[in-house]
Amino acid sequence: DQQVKQNSPSLSVQEGRISILNCDYTNSMFDYFLWYKKYPAEGPTFLISISSIKDKNEDGRFTVFLNKSAKHLSLHIVPSQPGDSAVYFCAASAYGSSNTGKLIFGQGTTLQVKP
Amino acid sequence: GAVVSQHPSRVICKSGTSVKIECRSLDFQATTMFWYRQFPKKSLMLMATSNEGSKATYEQGVEKDKFLINHASLTLSTLTVTSAHPEDSSFYICSASLGSDTQYFGPGTRLTVL
Repeated sequence: DQQVKQNSPSLSVQEGRISILNCDYTNSMFDYFLWYKKYPAEGPTFLISISSIKDKNEDGRFTVFLNKSAKHLSLHIVPSQPGDSAVYFCAASAYGSSNTGKLIFGQGTTLQVKP
Repeated sequence: GAVVSQHPSRVICKSGTSVKIECRSLDFQATTMFWYRQFPKKSLMLMATSNEGSKATYEQGVEKDKFLINHASLTLSTLTVTSAHPEDSSFYICSASLGSDTQYFGPGTRLTVL
């Protein structure tokens, strides 16, 4: 049972344009969501997170939007840069911000930003 | 800040031998460490959750006698793959938590069992 789904295995955008990566989840108990970036043969790097009490969180070029009713979140990268090319994982946790909980990962989306 | 290291980064071993992978939080004390496994072109699969001084909690389907986890201190956790077989070949990644939900990941260890 895939509780966190990234239905697009890959995405290609032009440099300078917006990249939108999507993630859907099924477990309504999830209350904290994170995005990670991963290069081949390296560990994931934390990008940005959002609590379920918010619907938007912004950090520089990265913005995460959360639609709880739709159980959907998205990561916007604008403007996209060639260095953003990597695999992006969304992850969800069901334990809230006061406890350390397990992260459930999506399958990942490979983003390619073309110069 | 929040740097996590893993050693070794790559290991090749013969079938039947045991391999130990170390995970260290370099600049913080991690209340909890996690061990993941990633198959090619697949998502990260949580293997176990490790708290300092207590037994690790393994996910369903993960053999605790096969994947021994020791969390000796707030900055060190080890994963030992015992009697490794070719099907254990994978990319193993650890993460450490500061106490919030954000986990910081190590660079991973590529294990190849011949």
